[in-house]
Formats: sequence, C-alpha cells, structure tokens
Amino acid sequence: QKEVEQNSGPLSVPEGAIASLNCTYSDRGSQSFFWYRQYSGKSPELIMSIYSNGDKEDGRFTAQLNKASQYVSLLIRDSQPSDSATYLCAVNVPAGNMLTFGGGTRLMVKP
Amino acid sequence: DGGITQSPKYLFRKEGQNVTLSCEQNLNHDAMYWYRQDPGQGLRLIYYSQIVNDFQKGDIAEGYSVSREKKESFPLTVTSAQKNPTAFYLCASSAVAGGRDEQFFGPGTRLTVL
Repeated sequence: QKEVEQNSGPLSVPEGAIASLNCTYSDRGSQSFFWYRQYSGKSPELIMSIYSNGDKEDGRFTAQLNKASQYVSLLIRDSQPSDSATYLCAVNVPAGNMLTFGGGTRLMVKP
Repeated sequence: DGGITQSPKYLFRKEGQNVTLSCEQNLNHDAMYWYRQDPGQGLRLIYYSQIVNDFQKGDIAEGYSVSREKKESFPLTVTSAQKNPTAFYLCASSAVAGGRDEQFFGPGTRLTVL
C-alpha cells in the first residue's frame, strides 16, 4: 500500500466550477499536510499547508483535513484555465523525518 | 531576493560519466533535500540534510552522493553507478527539518543520458 495516494486523473472541470482533489494517507501519526501545484515542465509550488482537522481557506483554495478518516482534500472554487496543472499532495512521515508525496492528480479546466 | 537556485537547467551525460548538480539557497534554511521525478510520477527522496556536515539517505540513494559543507549549498552527484539517471531533479529546502515544515523548491535540473 502506497503511503500517500491520489487519483492520477485527469480530472476535467468546466471553467467556473469547483474542482475537488482528494488524497489519502496511511500513517496515522502524520501531522503536516501540504498541497503543491506543478505546471508541466516546472517545479512544484506550495499553495496550501494544513495541520489541524477542519477547513483552511486561502482565496479560491480550501484545504480540508480529516485525520480520523486519513484524508486531505483541496477544493478550488471558480476554476480557471490557468489552474490546469498537476496537484501533488505531501504528508510528513514522523518515523522517517521527511515528506512523502503522492503521484499527483492532473487537473484540466476547460473554457 | 530570497530563493533556491539550481544549475544547470539542462544537463546531458554520457554513459559512465559522473555529473554534479548544484543547489544553492539564501533563505537561511537548515534543511535541504534532493528529489527525483520521472515522467508522470510523484517525487522520490534521494538524500536530505538537516544540518551542515550531516546528511541521510532517502528512498532511492543508490548511485547518488551529496555533501553539505556550507549551510546554503547542497550539491548532488549522479555517479556512473546510477543505471537510469534520466529524470527531473528537484532541490528543496525548509526552515527546520523533520517534515513538519513547509518545503520550497528550486526550478529543477533536467538530466538526460545520451
């Protein structure tokens, strides 16, 4: 079982819709959760971090964390074509003292 | 202007050659990391360093070596022992080590074996 799992997609949504990206993780001791956006050919860019159960909002982005169910999600409201990218979920692994990344979900926002 | 720089942007290696990828940060971060990304894949950790003169192997360290002689620099050498080195190499740093802190990435080096 992979430590961090994401649906590879592509997830296709129309412009203006809400895009919902999901991530599950296996280590119940994980405390830190991150979402990165990666455009094709570029390096990952940190867009959200979340450490407590519940929702965290930043502009059009909302991160949701449910530690009991071991999932973290990213909602993108009013999706724009410029949001088309691969979104990587990263989770800290306490035993290994490092981050583990999921394989990423490719999002396509169609005009 | 704070950030992480990597050079070169593109690198071509012949079979049997060792090559060194540069990573420099001026963020005053303690921890630095090297990841490898293959097409359509997530990031895999090669090596990380929490402090000067100390580093640990990640999940795929075989065929790679690193040094951390200065806080701001963490070069990666891809040796001839790495049989499939063609990939996108990403350097990252975080203020503190342990995976709890946010990691920020450099622009990456794309390595191709000829």
